[in-house]
Amino acid sequence: DVKVTQSSRYLVKRTGEKVFLECVQDMDHENMFWYRQDPGLGLRLIYFSYDVKMKEKGDIPEGYSVSREKKERFSLILESASTNQTSMYLCASSRDTGNTEAFFGQGTRLTVV
Amino acid sequence: AQSVTQLGSHVSVSEGALVLLRCNYSSSVPPYLFWYVQYPNQGLQLLLKYTSAATLVKGINGFEAEFKKSETSFHLTKPSAHMSDAAEYFCAVNTLYSSASKIIFGSGTRLSIRP
Repeated sequence: DVKVTQSSRYLVKRTGEKVFLECVQDMDHENMFWYRQDPGLGLRLIYFSYDVKMKEKGDIPEGYSVSREKKERFSLILESASTNQTSMYLCASSRDTGNTEAFFGQGTRLTVV
Repeated sequence: AQSVTQLGSHVSVSEGALVLLRCNYSSSVPPYLFWYVQYPNQGLQLLLKYTSAATLVKGINGFEAEFKKSETSFHLTKPSAHMSDAAEYFCAVNTLYSSASKIIFGSGTRLSIRP
C-alpha cells in the first residue's frame, strides 16, 4: 500500500522558533509537494520539488523554505514561525506524468503561539 | 495558467437525494482533472480522475463525474446521498510547469447530509 508519512500530526510552537515539518514517501515518486489548508481557501501550494535538490515556489512561498536531499524525503522549514502560519500542512507525492494523482499524508496541524 | 473553480463552498442535501458538486476548469490544453475527498481529521483521498480516455468517469463510493469540454466543467455527482458522504470535496487540475507537473486545487465544497 502506498504511503506518505508526515512526522507529526500536531505541533505547537512559539513565535520566532524555527520549525521543521518532515515528509517521507515510499513510492519512489519524482514529485513532492507541500500545501497549507485553511478554511474557505482550499489547498494552497507552498513549494514543490520534481527531483532531488530541485525545488520550485508555489503560490505562497513567503516565510517558508524547503529541502530535498533524498528522493523520498521533503522537508518544509519555517525559518521564524509567526501566528499567521498556524494552519494544517499537507504533504503529497506523485509520479512525474500529468495523468497521475497525488498521494497525501495525514497532515500536520501546526499552532504557533 | 490552468486553474479550477468550485461553485458553492457548502452544499446540503437530504439523505437519498442527488448530490451535485460543481467544478469549472480553465486550461488552454486538454487538462487532467481530479476529485478528492477529505473526511474530518484525515488527509485527501482520490475519488476519481479524468485522463481523456472517457468523458464519464466513475469513481469510488458511487460517485461519478462528466468532463464537458464545451462547458469547461467537471461536475461531481452521486444519485443517492448517504450520511457517510458528509465530507469536504476538492476539484484539482494537473498543470505542467517546466518539465514537471504540479497539482492545483479548488477552494473546496463542504457537503452536509440531512437525515
